[in-house]
Amino acid sequence: AQSVTQLDSQVPVFEEAPVELRCNYSSSVSVYLFWYVQYPNQGLQLLLKYLSGSTLVESINGFEAEFNKSQTSFHLRKPSVHISDTAEYFCAVSSGRVGAAGNKLTFGGGTRVLVKP
Amino acid sequence: DTEVTQTPKHLVMGMTNKKSLKCEQHMGHRAMYWYKQKAKKPPELMFVYSYEKLSINESVPSRFSPECPNSSLLNLHLHALQPEDSALYLCASSQEGQGPDFGSGTRLTVV
Repeated sequence: AQSVTQLDSQVPVFEEAPVELRCNYSSSVSVYLFWYVQYPNQGLQLLLKYLSGSTLVESINGFEAEFNKSQTSFHLRKPSVHISDTAEYFCAVSSGRVGAAGNKLTFGGGTRVLVKP
Repeated sequence: DTEVTQTPKHLVMGMTNKKSLKCEQHMGHRAMYWYKQKAKKPPELMFVYSYEKLSINESVPSRFSPECPNSSLLNLHLHALQPEDSALYLCASSQEGQGPDFGSGTRLTVV
């Protein structure tokens, strides 16, 4: 069985300040890790993913996440946030190749980021 | 804009109605998913289709009936729903091994 814990349900942050969203997972096998963002009244958008290779992954809009196997973590960071980053962020884990029969994505509880001017 | 299209965007139905949610993608993805999301909660997996065959059913009540007519389409047939089934229903698709791409969802209200 796999599970994901997002340690902060809400993170208020001032514009242009850095932000870190914490995600820890548990799984008995190798994992694939994802971060999704959900803006109000919208679906989820894939922000970045770790499948293999370099443990530091980056998105096109300035976010990055680092896979730490020893700490079973996949924390998300951005050095300088914008008002437009206000959203819900979900960490997710799959213990197998997502989409292959029997493999599914498990989501954490979400972290609401509120960027203040 | 997402490449996974869901219709309708909003749906209000009575407890005795039958309705269907539709999802379409033309990215060649062979895995398709239905998720249910309640307010301020993460998405909960309902069904997974892999190569047009149902591979995961998360013990969803039979009043929800999925259908995958072909590799591009996914339906969710609804019958005799309860008010607690009101939620955002999200469709997603993926290539094997990649993170799913989500549609914008259908916001369902059962009255």
